[in-house]
Amino acid sequence: SQTIHQWPATLVQPVGSPLSLECTVEGTSNPNLYWYRQAAGRGLQLLFYSIGIDQISSEVPQNLSASRPQDRQFILSSKKLLLSDSGFYLCAWSGSSNTIYFGEGSWLTVV
Amino acid sequence: GEDVEQSLFLSVREGDSSVINCTYTDSSSTYLYWYKQEPGAGLQLLTYIFSNMDMKQDQRLTVLLNKKDKHLSLRIADTQTGDSAIYFCAESPPSGGSYIPTFGRGTSLIVHP
Repeated sequence: SQTIHQWPATLVQPVGSPLSLECTVEGTSNPNLYWYRQAAGRGLQLLFYSIGIDQISSEVPQNLSASRPQDRQFILSSKKLLLSDSGFYLCAWSGSSNTIYFGEGSWLTVV
Repeated sequence: GEDVEQSLFLSVREGDSSVINCTYTDSSSTYLYWYKQEPGAGLQLLTYIFSNMDMKQDQRLTVLLNKKDKHLSLRIADTQTGDSAIYFCAESPPSGGSYIPTFGRGTSLIVHP
């Protein structure tokens, strides 16, 4: 069966520091991968999605970037965090059915 | 553009039925979904319905789809305190289009004794 994992689960970082959140999917190949942000426990904002290695689309201009070094690995990064980057980050994947499955989430607090 | 609308809050008494409503706009969606998010956790796929179905029942959950009105509902029978969560309605990407599903903003279900 397919599983998705993301880490770290919680992170407290100072303003201006770098960020790296990692996500891996197991049990499937060539998944579509997504990074979402959820602020204040409300709606989901799509940040990036990828339909293949080196095929990444950005939905919202910001100081975040995403990379997909391997088929089932998706990384969210920042060189310098802002206070407004605080939030709950969710990695997700979908396959041929287009049904989307989410990871456990990562809480980021920028102080 | 595409949009999925749902009310933000619903409060029910334990043991009563809960009905969470959703309207969507893309008639070409193949699947419509309900996700549950408990505090501090990711979204869990609760159930889904294929667009050519009118109803789907799964234990305490009943999903009704009115394709003509583009209206989707989730009924939870005998609501328990453990059902307190945010419920997201979502529609699948249009066939032959993008890979991005459209989510509603979520309905917070509050179950009180």
